[in-house]
Amino acid sequence: SQKIEQNSEALNIQEGKTATLTCNYTNYSPAYLQWYRQDPGRGPVFLLLIRENEKEKRKERLKVTFDTTLKQSLFHITASQPADSATYLCALDIMSNTGKLIFGQGTTLQVKP
Amino acid sequence: ETGVTQSPTHLIKTRGQQVTLRCSSQSGHNTVSWYQQALGQGPPQFIFQYYREEENGRGNFPPRFSGLQFPNYSSELNVNALELDDSALYLCASSRDRGDEKLFFGSGTQLSVL
Repeated sequence: SQKIEQNSEALNIQEGKTATLTCNYTNYSPAYLQWYRQDPGRGPVFLLLIRENEKEKRKERLKVTFDTTLKQSLFHITASQPADSATYLCALDIMSNTGKLIFGQGTTLQVKP
Repeated sequence: ETGVTQSPTHLIKTRGQQVTLRCSSQSGHNTVSWYQQALGQGPPQFIFQYYREEENGRGNFPPRFSGLQFPNYSSELNVNALELDDSALYLCASSRDRGDEKLFFGSGTQLSVL
């Protein structure tokens, strides 16, 4: 079955530094991969989507890379701020182009001032 | 704001009871998916998806989890014979179409089963 792994431990960084989160997957070849942000007690919020034929995607201070050979995606937040503190989830479609997602465990990011 | 609203925000039920959770999707979104997330831990788990009022795929959940989708962009998740392990955050997510990748989530309903 498909398996998605994210850094299970919380990531603590200093304000202004770049946070890098990792998402690895096995037994699957997704058409795309997504990243979501989730705050406590709230639903996930869509951040970025990267397709299998794209190497890198950027949106403001966010950057996502996708290596289908390594089966890995990296999610970067540059110039991090305390407001970036949240849990970040990566997600793959269970079946291609259906919108049915399987999520990783999530990585909790804490940005300290 | 995602434009997806869920009600109620919190709910307490006892084992064996039945519960109905409601979701209002974004206008124009014809697909709704439901996810279960263990309270305070773990990722959202796919329950099922509805497209144009018909079930369009189900995750690993028993038949006592059922749903309805209505033409007015509202939908329901029904759970019969509640079990203690059903205590979770239930999330509704809408999308423009069943093949649309981006999901817009509501804030969820926290269900506690005692």
